[in-house]
Amino acid sequence: AQSVAQPEDQVNVAEGNPLTVKCTYSVSGNPYLFWYVQYPNRGLQFLLKYITGDNLVKGSYGFEAEFNKSQTSFHLKKPSALVSDSALYFCAVRDGLMRAGGFKTIFGAGTRLFVKA
Amino acid sequence: SAVISQKPSRDICQRGTSLTIQCQVDSQVTMMFWYRQQPGQSLTLIATANQGSEATYESGFVIDKFPISRPNLTFSTLTVSNMSPEDSSIYLCSVDLRGGELFFGEGSRLTVL
Repeated sequence: AQSVAQPEDQVNVAEGNPLTVKCTYSVSGNPYLFWYVQYPNRGLQFLLKYITGDNLVKGSYGFEAEFNKSQTSFHLKKPSALVSDSALYFCAVRDGLMRAGGFKTIFGAGTRLFVKA
Repeated sequence: SAVISQKPSRDICQRGTSLTIQCQVDSQVTMMFWYRQQPGQSLTLIATANQGSEATYESGFVIDKFPISRPNLTFSTLTVSNMSPEDSSIYLCSVDLRGGELFFGEGSRLTVL
Protein backbone atom coordinates (compact mmCIF):
# COMPACT_ATOMS: atom_id res chain seq x y z
CA ALA A 1 0.00 0.00 0.00
CA GLN A 2 1.18 3.49 -0.72
CA SER A 3 1.90 5.97 2.05
CA VAL A 4 3.29 9.43 2.53
CA ALA A 5 5.01 10.86 5.58
CA GLN A 6 5.62 14.49 6.38
CA PRO A 7 7.61 14.37 9.58
CA GLU A 8 7.24 18.04 10.49
CA ASP A 9 3.93 19.51 11.57
CA GLN A 10 5.37 22.98 11.25
CA VAL A 11 8.39 24.66 9.72
CA ASN A 12 9.47 28.14 10.72
CA VAL A 13 11.84 30.17 8.58
CA ALA A 14 12.86 33.80 8.31
CA GLU A 15 12.08 35.68 5.14
CA GLY A 16 14.95 35.49 2.69
CA ASN A 17 16.29 32.24 4.11
CA PRO A 18 16.08 28.93 2.27
CA LEU A 19 13.30 26.57 3.23
CA THR A 20 12.87 22.82 3.12
CA VAL A 21 9.69 20.86 3.75
CA LYS A 22 10.32 17.15 4.07
CA CYS A 23 8.44 14.24 2.54
CA THR A 24 9.10 10.52 2.34
CA TYR A 25 6.96 7.98 0.60
CA SER A 26 6.29 4.32 0.07
CA VAL A 27 4.69 3.02 -3.10
CA SER A 28 4.70 -0.01 -5.34
CA GLY A 29 6.38 0.57 -8.66
CA ASN A 30 7.42 3.93 -9.97
CA PRO A 31 5.91 6.79 -8.03
CA TYR A 32 4.18 9.90 -9.20
CA LEU A 33 5.03 12.54 -6.58
CA PHE A 34 3.37 15.88 -6.03
CA TRP A 35 3.38 18.93 -3.84
CA TYR A 36 0.29 21.00 -3.21
CA VAL A 37 -0.23 24.21 -1.27
CA GLN A 38 -3.31 25.35 0.58
CA TYR A 39 -3.82 28.93 1.61
CA PRO A 40 -6.32 29.75 4.37
CA ASN A 41 -9.93 29.04 3.40
CA ARG A 42 -8.90 27.97 -0.08
CA GLY A 43 -8.76 24.75 -2.02
CA LEU A 44 -5.51 23.00 -2.82
CA GLN A 45 -3.26 24.27 -5.57
CA PHE A 46 -0.82 22.11 -7.49
CA LEU A 47 2.82 23.22 -7.12
CA LEU A 48 4.94 20.63 -8.90
CA LYS A 49 5.32 16.99 -9.75
CA TYR A 50 7.85 14.30 -10.45
CA ILE A 51 7.03 11.46 -12.77
CA THR A 52 10.25 10.69 -14.55
CA GLY A 53 13.42 12.38 -15.74
CA ASP A 54 15.54 14.92 -13.90
CA ASN A 55 15.47 14.41 -10.16
CA LEU A 56 15.19 18.14 -9.54
CA VAL A 57 11.85 19.50 -10.61
CA LYS A 58 10.81 23.11 -10.64
CA GLY A 59 7.34 24.39 -10.03
CA SER A 60 5.23 27.40 -9.31
CA TYR A 61 6.23 30.39 -7.17
CA GLY A 62 9.94 29.51 -7.26
CA PHE A 63 9.54 26.17 -5.50
CA GLU A 64 11.48 23.08 -6.46
CA ALA A 65 11.69 19.54 -5.20
CA GLU A 66 14.31 16.84 -5.35
CA PHE A 67 13.42 13.22 -5.95
CA ASN A 68 15.75 10.80 -4.17
CA LYS A 69 14.96 7.22 -5.02
CA SER A 70 17.37 5.59 -2.58
CA GLN A 71 15.99 7.59 0.32
CA THR A 72 12.41 7.51 -1.01
CA SER A 73 12.17 11.23 -0.41
CA PHE A 74 10.75 14.19 -2.25
CA HIS A 75 11.62 17.29 -0.24
CA LEU A 76 10.20 20.67 -1.22
CA LYS A 77 12.65 23.56 -1.33
CA LYS A 78 12.87 27.23 -2.07
CA PRO A 79 16.11 29.23 -2.07
CA SER A 80 14.60 32.37 -0.53
CA ALA A 81 11.36 32.29 1.44
CA LEU A 82 8.71 34.97 1.27
CA VAL A 83 6.14 35.87 3.93
CA SER A 84 3.49 35.09 1.32
CA ASP A 85 4.73 31.48 1.20
CA SER A 86 3.17 30.91 4.61
CA ALA A 87 0.58 28.19 4.04
CA LEU A 88 -0.15 24.50 4.50
CA TYR A 89 1.86 22.21 2.22
CA PHE A 90 0.91 18.69 1.27
CA CYS A 91 3.05 16.01 -0.28
CA ALA A 92 1.14 13.41 -2.27
CA VAL A 93 1.90 10.17 -4.05
CA ARG A 94 0.20 8.21 -6.75
CA ASP A 95 1.31 4.77 -7.81
CA GLY A 96 1.14 3.54 -11.37
CA LEU A 97 -1.51 0.91 -10.76
CA MET A 98 -4.76 1.31 -12.64
CA ARG A 99 -7.65 0.15 -10.51
CA ALA A 100 -11.34 -0.12 -11.18
CA GLY A 101 -11.68 3.36 -9.79
CA GLY A 102 -8.67 4.73 -11.60
CA PHE A 103 -5.47 5.98 -10.08
CA LYS A 104 -5.43 6.82 -6.40
CA THR A 105 -3.59 9.77 -4.92
CA ILE A 106 -2.99 9.89 -1.20
CA PHE A 107 -1.81 12.85 0.80
CA GLY A 108 0.55 13.37 3.67
CA ALA A 109 -0.58 14.95 6.91
CA GLY A 110 0.57 18.38 5.81
CA THR A 111 3.25 20.77 7.03
CA ARG A 112 2.41 24.28 8.05
CA LEU A 113 5.03 26.76 6.89
CA PHE A 114 5.47 30.03 8.73
CA VAL A 115 7.72 32.62 7.16
CA LYS A 116 8.56 35.48 9.49
CA ALA A 117 9.41 38.92 8.20
CA SER B 1 -5.67 23.49 -15.70
CA ALA B 2 -9.37 23.32 -14.91
CA VAL B 3 -11.92 25.53 -13.24
CA ILE B 4 -13.94 23.58 -10.72
CA SER B 5 -17.00 25.04 -9.06
CA GLN B 6 -18.54 23.56 -5.96
CA LYS B 7 -21.89 24.33 -4.40
CA PRO B 8 -22.64 25.06 -1.64
CA SER B 9 -19.44 26.66 -0.41
CA ARG B 10 -20.64 26.15 3.13
CA ASP B 11 -23.71 25.03 4.98
CA ILE B 12 -24.96 24.35 8.46
CA CYS B 13 -27.20 21.31 8.73
CA GLN B 14 -29.21 19.53 11.33
CA ARG B 15 -28.42 16.05 12.52
CA GLY B 16 -30.23 13.36 10.53
CA THR B 17 -30.67 15.39 7.37
CA SER B 18 -28.86 14.97 4.05
CA LEU B 19 -26.95 17.43 1.90
CA THR B 20 -25.96 17.18 -1.73
CA ILE B 21 -22.77 18.87 -2.92
CA GLN B 22 -22.42 19.70 -6.58
CA CYS B 23 -19.20 19.83 -8.57
CA GLN B 24 -19.04 21.39 -12.03
CA VAL B 25 -15.91 21.32 -14.21
CA ASP B 26 -15.27 23.59 -17.18
CA SER B 27 -13.96 20.74 -19.32
CA GLN B 28 -14.71 17.09 -19.87
CA VAL B 29 -12.84 14.78 -17.53
CA THR B 30 -12.85 11.05 -17.10
CA MET B 31 -12.07 10.75 -13.43
CA MET B 32 -13.43 12.87 -10.62
CA PHE B 33 -12.51 12.39 -7.01
CA TRP B 34 -14.19 13.31 -3.77
CA TYR B 35 -12.05 14.00 -0.72
CA ARG B 36 -12.82 14.94 2.84
CA GLN B 37 -10.64 17.27 4.87
CA GLN B 38 -10.94 18.29 8.46
CA PRO B 39 -9.86 21.96 8.70
CA GLY B 40 -6.08 22.13 8.72
CA GLN B 41 -5.78 18.38 8.39
CA SER B 42 -4.92 15.99 5.60
CA LEU B 43 -7.19 14.83 2.82
CA THR B 44 -8.91 11.46 2.81
CA LEU B 45 -10.21 10.00 -0.43
CA ILE B 46 -13.88 9.10 -0.22
CA ALA B 47 -14.47 7.76 -3.70
CA THR B 48 -13.63 7.97 -7.36
CA ALA B 49 -16.45 8.79 -9.77
CA ASN B 50 -16.12 7.80 -13.40
CA GLN B 51 -18.80 8.65 -15.90
CA GLY B 52 -20.92 5.68 -16.87
CA SER B 53 -19.98 3.44 -13.98
CA GLU B 54 -20.58 3.06 -10.29
CA ALA B 55 -18.35 5.07 -8.01
CA THR B 56 -15.48 3.24 -6.34
CA TYR B 57 -15.41 3.80 -2.60
CA GLU B 58 -12.41 3.70 -0.31
CA SER B 59 -12.26 1.68 2.84
CA GLY B 60 -14.47 3.20 5.51
CA PHE B 61 -16.84 4.89 3.09
CA VAL B 62 -20.03 3.30 1.80
CA ILE B 63 -22.51 4.17 -0.90
CA ASP B 64 -25.48 4.35 1.47
CA LYS B 65 -23.79 7.10 3.44
CA PHE B 66 -22.11 8.91 0.54
CA PRO B 67 -24.04 8.29 -2.67
CA ILE B 68 -22.38 9.78 -5.73
CA SER B 69 -23.76 10.61 -9.13
CA ARG B 70 -21.77 11.21 -12.30
CA PRO B 71 -24.30 11.88 -15.06
CA ASN B 72 -21.81 13.33 -17.56
CA LEU B 73 -18.16 14.23 -18.05
CA THR B 74 -18.40 17.67 -16.45
CA PHE B 75 -20.57 17.16 -13.38
CA SER B 76 -20.80 15.09 -10.21
CA THR B 77 -22.65 15.20 -6.93
CA LEU B 78 -21.82 13.83 -3.50
CA THR B 79 -24.57 13.38 -0.95
CA VAL B 80 -23.82 13.16 2.75
CA SER B 81 -26.73 11.19 4.16
CA ASN B 82 -28.20 11.02 7.63
CA MET B 83 -25.62 13.46 8.89
CA SER B 84 -24.08 13.48 12.33
CA PRO B 85 -21.66 15.97 13.88
CA GLU B 86 -18.82 13.63 12.90
CA ASP B 87 -19.57 14.44 9.28
CA SER B 88 -18.61 18.08 9.84
CA SER B 89 -15.76 18.60 7.43
CA ILE B 90 -14.67 20.16 4.19
CA TYR B 91 -15.61 18.16 1.14
CA LEU B 92 -13.44 18.64 -1.93
CA CYS B 93 -14.06 17.71 -5.51
CA SER B 94 -11.03 17.16 -7.72
CA VAL B 95 -10.18 16.08 -11.24
CA ASP B 96 -7.24 14.52 -13.00
CA LEU B 97 -6.53 16.02 -16.41
CA ARG B 98 -4.27 13.10 -17.40
CA GLY B 99 -1.08 14.81 -16.28
CA GLY B 100 -1.38 13.07 -12.94
CA GLU B 101 -1.84 16.17 -10.85
CA LEU B 102 -5.20 16.94 -9.34
CA PHE B 103 -7.14 20.18 -9.59
CA PHE B 104 -9.45 21.03 -6.75
CA GLY B 105 -12.57 23.00 -6.18
CA GLU B 106 -12.71 25.51 -3.36
CA GLY B 107 -14.43 22.97 -1.15
CA SER B 108 -17.75 22.74 0.66
CA ARG B 109 -17.54 23.38 4.38
CA LEU B 110 -20.20 21.41 6.19
CA THR B 111 -21.16 21.91 9.81
CA VAL B 112 -23.60 19.48 11.39
CA LEU B 113 -25.32 20.52 14.60
